[in-house]
Amino acid sequence: DVKVTQSSRYLVKRTGEKVFLECVQDMDHENMFWYRQDPGLGLRLIYFSYDVKMKEKGDIPEGYSVSREKKERFSLILESASTNQTSMYLCASSRGIRRSSYEQYFGPGTRLTVT
Amino acid sequence: SQQGEEDPQALSIQEGENATMNCSYKTSINNLQWYRQNSGRGLVHLILIRSNEREKHSGRLRVTLDTSKKSSSLLITASRAADTASYFCATVPSWGKLQFGAGTQVVVTP
Repeated sequence: DVKVTQSSRYLVKRTGEKVFLECVQDMDHENMFWYRQDPGLGLRLIYFSYDVKMKEKGDIPEGYSVSREKKERFSLILESASTNQTSMYLCASSRGIRRSSYEQYFGPGTRLTVT
Repeated sequence: SQQGEEDPQALSIQEGENATMNCSYKTSINNLQWYRQNSGRGLVHLILIRSNEREKHSGRLRVTLDTSKKSSSLLITASRAADTASYFCATVPSWGKLQFGAGTQVVVTP
């Protein structure tokens, strides 16, 4: 079974702090994704990566950056956390070449609160 | 931007009843996927239907796709309390990235 793990289930940070969210997958998937989920808005794609050191902006990249130094690990960075970044963050991975359309496997999510 | 939109937003049924939810989308797609999310957890992939398929089954799940109407439906037969969750459709346009709808919240009462 594919396993996608995220570093924290719950996180509370202060405004202006730098925040790192980490995601690890164990199925050698090429593609990895970061989403945020807010009530009534569904999932919105922040960034995705289809290979090591490669990244592409999703729909809402502002205020975020990512890092993929190893194939199994994809990190989301909030350079200076703000209260409007309070949300549930979901990491996912999928197999296939860039822009594949295979099913995605999700981690359990990190609920981030910025005070 | 949301591509798929689920209807209804919320659904409450009794155990043993069937649950049907619909998804409409705007642009042509490569495939459409349905996911389930239990409260406070990540999403779990349920079923993928390709644009050249019209119906697909998986256990108690039945998915239909009508590309002429740009719509899909998910039917859960003989529902159980464990089916209580949010259900999302995700469309895959020809250029590949999934676009999720806002979801349908399903509550199954014993």
